[in-house]
Amino acid sequence: DTEVTQTPKHLVMGMTNKKSLKCEQHMGHRAMYWYKQKAKKPPELMFVYSYEKLSINESVPSRFSPECPNSSLLNLHLHALQPEDSALYLCASSPKGGGGADTQYFGPGTRLTVL
Amino acid sequence: GESVGLHLPTLSVQEGDNSIINCAYSNSASDYFIWYKQESGKGPQFIIDIRSNMDKRQGQRVTVLLNKTVKHLSLQIAATQPGDSAVYFCAVLDNYGQNFVFGPGTRLSVLP
Repeated sequence: DTEVTQTPKHLVMGMTNKKSLKCEQHMGHRAMYWYKQKAKKPPELMFVYSYEKLSINESVPSRFSPECPNSSLLNLHLHALQPEDSALYLCASSPKGGGGADTQYFGPGTRLTVL
Repeated sequence: GESVGLHLPTLSVQEGDNSIINCAYSNSASDYFIWYKQESGKGPQFIIDIRSNMDKRQGQRVTVLLNKTVKHLSLQIAATQPGDSAVYFCAVLDNYGQNFVFGPGTRLSVLP
């Protein structure tokens, strides 16, 4: 298995809803990432997990809550989002933990719309 | 911190011609660079990478050139095909050597 999978592909939610995005990789990668990408913009880093521990939180609002249940899974829990949070949410993984010169491989993303 | 920019937000080329996409970065200590291709509705796809101890690296129909003197990176695509139409991002390892800063992207359109 050489890919990063994400579910769901599309998600529409209201501002009072609670939902979760899921990401999975079975390549034995030790680092996993969440990125946010607005239309016509590059991906922006949100969170980094290294060896299942949160290593970087790029000042993301608390309405986004990441979770790494095991080395293959990464979740992003969403609560009380705002319409401006509508975006493509990308998950990525890389072979080595600890950052550095390590290629990141992306999933297809979840297109999130907040009404 | 690191900043990454591109010379052209859009590029149109004729099918069969060569394409060159450029990227400028600010940190002279950056030592790892990646080019990604992102098609509409998909996640970024790894194309090719290069480390700072190299000036050039070739893949299948793609070549990445690194000029550390002027802090410039380019992606060359030979014999551009309709399937090459996408947004291309360069990603540069940041000042701390921890994570990547993405450039703003160049949209490549291939004309028949």
